[in-house]
Amino acid sequence: AQKITQTQPGMFVQEKEAVTLDCTYDTSDQSYGLFWYKQPSSGEMIFLIYQGSYDEQNATEGRYSLNFQKARKSANLVISASQLGDSAMYFCAMREGGSNYKLTFGKGTLLTVNP
Amino acid sequence: NAGVTQTPKFQVLKTGQSMTLQCAQDMNHNSMYWYRQDPGMGLRLIYYSASEGTTDKGEVPNGYNVSRLNKREFSLRLESAAPSQTSVYFCASRRQTNQPQHFGDGTRLSIL
Repeated sequence: AQKITQTQPGMFVQEKEAVTLDCTYDTSDQSYGLFWYKQPSSGEMIFLIYQGSYDEQNATEGRYSLNFQKARKSANLVISASQLGDSAMYFCAMREGGSNYKLTFGKGTLLTVNP
Repeated sequence: NAGVTQTPKFQVLKTGQSMTLQCAQDMNHNSMYWYRQDPGMGLRLIYYSASEGTTDKGEVPNGYNVSRLNKREFSLRLESAAPSQTSVYFCASRRQTNQPQHFGDGTRLSIL
C-alpha cells in the first residue's frame, strides 16, 4: 500500500484564486511529520511547509497553509492568491516515527496557473 | 550560500561503465540522502546516511553503493551502469528530525 497518495496528477487554477492540493497518508505511528515540496520546471526541490503530528494548529507559511485532518489522515496544501510562478510540481512527503531519517514521497501533482 | 552541491549536473554513460556522483553540503548537517526521480514515480530513496560513519539502504538500493566520506560529503557509485538507472539523481541533507531536507540541484544521468 502506498504511504503517501496524491490523487490529482494535474490541477489547473486561475491566477489570484486559491487552490487545494490533496495528500493522504498511511501510517500506524503516533509521531510523524508531513512536508510539502515544490519542484519548478528548472528541477530544484524547494521546501514549502511542515506539519508535525502533534502540532495542534495547522501550519502556515505566507501564502501556503496545510489543512491537517489527522482523523482522515490528510494533509492538503492550500495555496492562496495563486501566481504564475506557482506553476510547478508539488510533492507531499512523510517522515514516520519509526524511521526518523527517511522521507517517503508521493508521486506529485502538477499545478498549472492560468493568467 | 552553496547549500548542497552535486557534481556533475549532466552525464551520459554507456552500459557497463562506472560512475561516481558527488555530493557535498556546507550546512553542518548530520544526515545525507540519495534519491532518484523517474517520471510518474516521485522521489525514491536509494541510500541514506543518518550520521557520519553510517549508511543504510533505502527503497531502491540495488546497483548502487555509497560512501560517507566525512560529514560534508556523500557519494553515490554506479559500478556497472544499466539503462534502467537512467534518471535524475538528487542528493539531500538534513540537520535533525523535524527539519526539512535540503536538496541539491540534481544530476541528470543517461545510460545508453
